[in-house]
Amino acid sequence: KAGVTQTPRYLIKTRGQQVTLSCSPISGHRSVSWYQQTPGQGLQFLFEYFSETQRNKGNFPGRFSGRQFSNSRSEMNVSTLELGDSALYLCASSLDLRVGTEAFFGQGTRLTVV
Amino acid sequence: EDQVTQSPEALRLQEGESSSLNCSYTVSGLRGLFWYRQDPGKGPEFLFTLYSAGEEKEKERLKATLTKKESFLHITAPKPEDSATYLCAVQAVRSGGSYIPTFGRGTSLIVHP
Repeated sequence: KAGVTQTPRYLIKTRGQQVTLSCSPISGHRSVSWYQQTPGQGLQFLFEYFSETQRNKGNFPGRFSGRQFSNSRSEMNVSTLELGDSALYLCASSLDLRVGTEAFFGQGTRLTVV
Repeated sequence: EDQVTQSPEALRLQEGESSSLNCSYTVSGLRGLFWYRQDPGKGPEFLFTLYSAGEEKEKERLKATLTKKESFLHITAPKPEDSATYLCAVQAVRSGGSYIPTFGRGTSLIVHP
């Protein structure tokens, strides 16, 4: 079956701009989570959506937002980009919200802010 | 605040040389501990979930164990294709009933032929 698809794979933006990243989960999966991965901080949880509702949120500023559509596809948006937002942004999908449910990650979007 | 510490940061092994990776954690209300494998340029790949102290799970050359304070990922007779970064994560109940996963920084494993 098709895996988690993230688009675009690479992105270069200028400080102050905004960016939208897209994630298509595995068919049938209703939960989508977003993560930021940097060499300095490692993998950090951004937020999780289930049935178009944000269920969990990590400790990131309000510039980071997301949404989920009725077909479970999700987007995350970062406004007023800062140099420190340069990172690999990963999306993961799973069947449901139960703890331990296997999460499948996409290959990520590499965002570079200049 | 939940904390996850993985050691060592990097590990070089010869093919066939067994070893263990450590993940120590400080968390209230542990609901699950996860191990992932991440190859360069790819997203993490799920390996195991452990729920309670004493639990063990195996997959090919990998065996994960859990105590009340740490988890070990044992690699038996590793092969070069086992080279990757291994990530540990814990999921705990937060106020309001939410589950927020906390990841360690990972152990970068290189297995030489």
